[in-house]
Amino acid sequence: GQQVMQIPQYQHVQEGEDFTTYCNSSTTLSNIQWYKQRPGGHPVFLIQLVKSGEVKKQKRLTFQFGEAKKNSSLHITATQTTDVGTYFCAGIRGADGLTFGKGTHLIIQP
Amino acid sequence: KAGVTQTPRYLIKTRGQQVTLSCSPISGHRSVSWYQQTPGQGLQFLFEYFSETQRNKGNFPGRFSGRQFSNSRSEMNVSTLELGDSALYLCASSLVVQETQYFGPGTRLLVL
Repeated sequence: GQQVMQIPQYQHVQEGEDFTTYCNSSTTLSNIQWYKQRPGGHPVFLIQLVKSGEVKKQKRLTFQFGEAKKNSSLHITATQTTDVGTYFCAGIRGADGLTFGKGTHLIIQP
Repeated sequence: KAGVTQTPRYLIKTRGQQVTLSCSPISGHRSVSWYQQTPGQGLQFLFEYFSETQRNKGNFPGRFSGRQFSNSRSEMNVSTLELGDSALYLCASSLVVQETQYFGPGTRLLVL
């Protein structure tokens, strides 16, 4: 079954507020990937983290990979309406292959 | 490079019928994966093919099958359709297995 847990499922924020989604696995992940899916669209790759404790930034987005390689987070600073969508994490758990979390739906109120 | 293409984009079938969906990966990508996306279950992995061989398989019944051709194009087949098979079916290609997934636009299947 689904072994990559992602919270929260939904997040409502006011435009300009920050947003964070968390991804947790019961087992160590080889790497973690993050994707964004706009409403009506398909998932689009954002970034991949490989090293323990790794932090990467893309403009207002900050991605972290935990020291134990079992958790990850995506933080968006000062959300904009263009950030609306569903954010998925995906991890490789040994022989299980690439497993996606259920995603966090980001809803932004202007 | 052209992106991943999927055909058809929309499909309506009735229970008991079968359906075949097609996916053309990005040129040079040899791995193709299939996913089922529904509001309740999210993105669920169906199977992954590399060099015409199934490398990984998700937890779906045998009614779901797939194959990959020598040009890396892939098809998935669902037999004896059930109402619960209504979903968006996404294909993704990557250079090698389990690497960055480049998704196609999906095929939206409605089973009546």
